[in-house]
Amino acid sequence: DTGVSQNPRHKITKRGQNVTFRCDPISEHNRLYWYRQTLGQGPEFLTYFQNEAQLEKSRLLSDRFSAERPKGSFSTLEIQRTEQGDSAMYLCASSSQGVGNSPLHFGNGTRLTVT
Amino acid sequence: AQSVTQLDSQVPVFEEAPVELRCNYSSSVSVYLFWYVQYPNQGLQLLLKYLSGSTLVKGINGFEAEFNKSQTSFHLRKPSVHISDTAEYFCAVSPTNTGNQFYFGTGTSLTVIP
Repeated sequence: DTGVSQNPRHKITKRGQNVTFRCDPISEHNRLYWYRQTLGQGPEFLTYFQNEAQLEKSRLLSDRFSAERPKGSFSTLEIQRTEQGDSAMYLCASSSQGVGNSPLHFGNGTRLTVT
Repeated sequence: AQSVTQLDSQVPVFEEAPVELRCNYSSSVSVYLFWYVQYPNQGLQLLLKYLSGSTLVKGINGFEAEFNKSQTSFHLRKPSVHISDTAEYFCAVSPTNTGNQFYFGTGTSLTVIP
């Protein structure tokens, strides 16, 4: 168990640019989640996958955000035309299927700064 | 709908003193309950979880929490804190009927004073 891996750890970009983050979950976990965390707040749910299927998206997720998990393993989160308000820590988490008895395992996050 | 309230945003406590971090929740269905800890520039790490059974659950690093259904609370306690316990602590709930969604509180920043 190597844990959940996220890359890059930090990303600084100019407003209007596109960015893409990657998440590699724990290998046997079939559920993968993306959360956003701003300073002084708890994680806010963005979206979640079961295997390759994106089953739920938050209303917070604007059309500029898209996530994929093409083969049910790693996932990418893309933000198009970034805005300063997108600056946050983006957390990925994974869990195994099993109603409620599998807690989330988090990566160390990608910190995005939009200048 | 579910919501989680952590009443204390910051808790300073002296080293070796006891601490309690409060968590209350609201839910129209029964929930599983979790406490996570976050150290600076890291992701969240599971401290403990309540799924069923005994209402007193023990976790890592000497922490424990007690589920109180009537008060819809899940307070986190430690009898004697260490400097290394300085971190952000998050309470979370997950509905038992789905188990695929987690709702987090806004966190409590614990600072242990030497």
